[in-house]
Amino acid sequence: DAGITQSPRHKVTETGTPVTLRCHQTENHRYMYWYRQDPGHGLRLIHYSYGVKDTDKGEVSDGYSVSRSKTEDFLLTLESATSSQTSVYFCAISGGSDTQYFGPGTRLTVL
Amino acid sequence: GESVGLHLPTLSVQEGDNSIINCAYSNSASDYFIWYKQESGKGPQFIIDIRSNMDKRQGQRVTVLLNKTVKHLSLQIAATQPGDSAVYFCAENSDSGGSNYKLTFGKGTLLTVNP
Repeated sequence: DAGITQSPRHKVTETGTPVTLRCHQTENHRYMYWYRQDPGHGLRLIHYSYGVKDTDKGEVSDGYSVSRSKTEDFLLTLESATSSQTSVYFCAISGGSDTQYFGPGTRLTVL
Repeated sequence: GESVGLHLPTLSVQEGDNSIINCAYSNSASDYFIWYKQESGKGPQFIIDIRSNMDKRQGQRVTVLLNKTVKHLSLQIAATQPGDSAVYFCAENSDSGGSNYKLTFGKGTLLTVNP
């Protein structure tokens, strides 16, 4: 987890409310990724970024948006949270090789 | 709390034994593979990687074997310790066209080490 922090680490919210999760890195890596992890599934890519203001969708992007205004920060927003978005969210970074390094995760519960 | 280990294949070994965890990958075009370890409540931790021009790579107490013919990857842990108890999963760069650097992850295997 060195060099990657996620905030908040735990959050409980209600259906229909907006939620923003933050990933912060001190490695100056170009690539950043948001995944969700659910029982019975492997890590699934939500969105990723290949540079400041350059982002693209992953396999489970519906209901999520992202922004990257600085190299070090990658934000994930749930515009209107639903119970199906209850999950553990991981941020990962990569310096331009295939290797990705993960943050500690955010556990989100949507009631 | 709910664990990522639910619904996963499990491997139970005695402390000091060697462990072998297997992974079948899907894309014959993948040329890079990683093994991650995930302890309960933590993020995945990089263990070891291997490129497709190799069939074996060794680290400290760990060895990764790659069989491209049958699209199979294995992680061997020597002298398994209680601290090795975790979920282990493999990843492949199934979509590395251009500069995407995206990985596809397996669902994982739960390793339990009995003292």
